[in-house]
Amino acid sequence: DAKTTQPNSMESNEEEPVHLPCNHSTISGTDYIHWYRQLPSQGPEYVIHGLTSNVNNRMASLAIAEDRKSSTLILHRATLRDAAVYYCIPTFQGAQKLVFGQGTRLTINP
Amino acid sequence: SQTIHQWPATLVQPVGSPLSLECTVEGTSNPNLYWYRQAAGRGLQLLFYSVGIGQISSEVPQNLSASRPQDRQFILSSKKLLLSDSGFYLCASSGQFYSPLHFGNGTRLTVT
Repeated sequence: DAKTTQPNSMESNEEEPVHLPCNHSTISGTDYIHWYRQLPSQGPEYVIHGLTSNVNNRMASLAIAEDRKSSTLILHRATLRDAAVYYCIPTFQGAQKLVFGQGTRLTINP
Repeated sequence: SQTIHQWPATLVQPVGSPLSLECTVEGTSNPNLYWYRQAAGRGLQLLFYSVGIGQISSEVPQNLSASRPQDRQFILSSKKLLLSDSGFYLCASSGQFYSPLHFGNGTRLTVT
């Protein structure tokens, strides 16, 4: 699996956009980039995933660099409920297991 | 959509006692199933995964074991708990050809 580097923590203000970066310089051509988040005292939940093109859903947007060595999860308007640990996980489609790294702990200030 | 049922939500067990945590999945068939553990203040550690009935892969050698007696049932067991087994245990499910993981609400185990 590709190695990932994410900041340990980030802080933002409510109702402002948040850009969560992830470096995955060893990603292979068939690896998808998945993002999950874990709210306090809960299991992780799926946020979004993509391969090459930028992706949008109701929760967030995923911007993938042209060389695919990095990606950015974008929360367009953060709320207090977005405070969580965010995990970036590159893995190839058909992978039987998903290994979580340390993730980025996002704090949202009111 | 998939629903993962885990119980109990919390559990306090003495050192040396046995453990059995059960996970059942609704809304899908022939899923991949996973057990993860999260120690206090730490990241998620993959313990076991299964791609079918009776097929178990262990990621970390330890005093835990897993079994999959039915397609949508995954059981985590221990014959004798250690203090280091304390943590938040999460069951997860995904489709056969990679699809997003769905997690249960977890069991918070404290070994005393």
